[in-house]
Amino acid sequence: ETGVTQSPTHLIKTRGQQVTLRCSSQSGHNTVSWYQQALGQGPQFIFQYYREEENGRGNFPPRFSGLQFPNYSSELNVNALELDDSALYLCASSRTGGFSYNEQFFGPGTRLTVL
Amino acid sequence: QKEVEQDPGPLSVPEGAIVSLNCTYSNSAFQYFMWYRQYSRKGPELLMYTYSSGNKEDGRFTAQVDKSSKYISLFIRDSQPSDSATYLCAMSKFSGGYNKLIFGAGTRLAVHP
Repeated sequence: ETGVTQSPTHLIKTRGQQVTLRCSSQSGHNTVSWYQQALGQGPQFIFQYYREEENGRGNFPPRFSGLQFPNYSSELNVNALELDDSALYLCASSRTGGFSYNEQFFGPGTRLTVL
Repeated sequence: QKEVEQDPGPLSVPEGAIVSLNCTYSNSAFQYFMWYRQYSRKGPELLMYTYSSGNKEDGRFTAQVDKSSKYISLFIRDSQPSDSATYLCAMSKFSGGYNKLIFGAGTRLAVHP
């Protein structure tokens, strides 16, 4: 069983640029959640995708957007990058996004640095 | 006030010690309570999850939930240097048909030989 993978591992961008981060979910999982983890903090929920639709969002501005593809892989896009966007971005996949507990399996993350 | 509060430490203990990690929360709607371990430059991995108040044991790890006090704990017995990591408590609730995790800030633990 292949785990959650993310690419790239590291990324350096300048303020105002746009970035796309990618995530491949674990085999058999149809739900992907994205989290932002600033240095020394716990992960913060950005949004969740289930069956290619966003079905939940945290307190992040619209310049954070995403996609989920038919194979359940996902992208996180961030426009107009700000210095505070520097963080570890984590993708987590699970079997369903609905009304029961399903373990979220995390990928290794993409470390984004905005200069 | 944050929904989940966790002392960031760091906590340094000798090998073999019993470690106690704690979180408090304010939202009584939380239904599931989890502990994740995160090694440096890695993603979090689930250690344990619980649904109800009480204790749950798995090897050297015991998770405890007290819903009346809104307090959860993780105990590590016979701690090992390989337990050195950041421990994150997380809680989940269902809102609008989806399930999100709300994490504490994490406690950094160092177990020295």
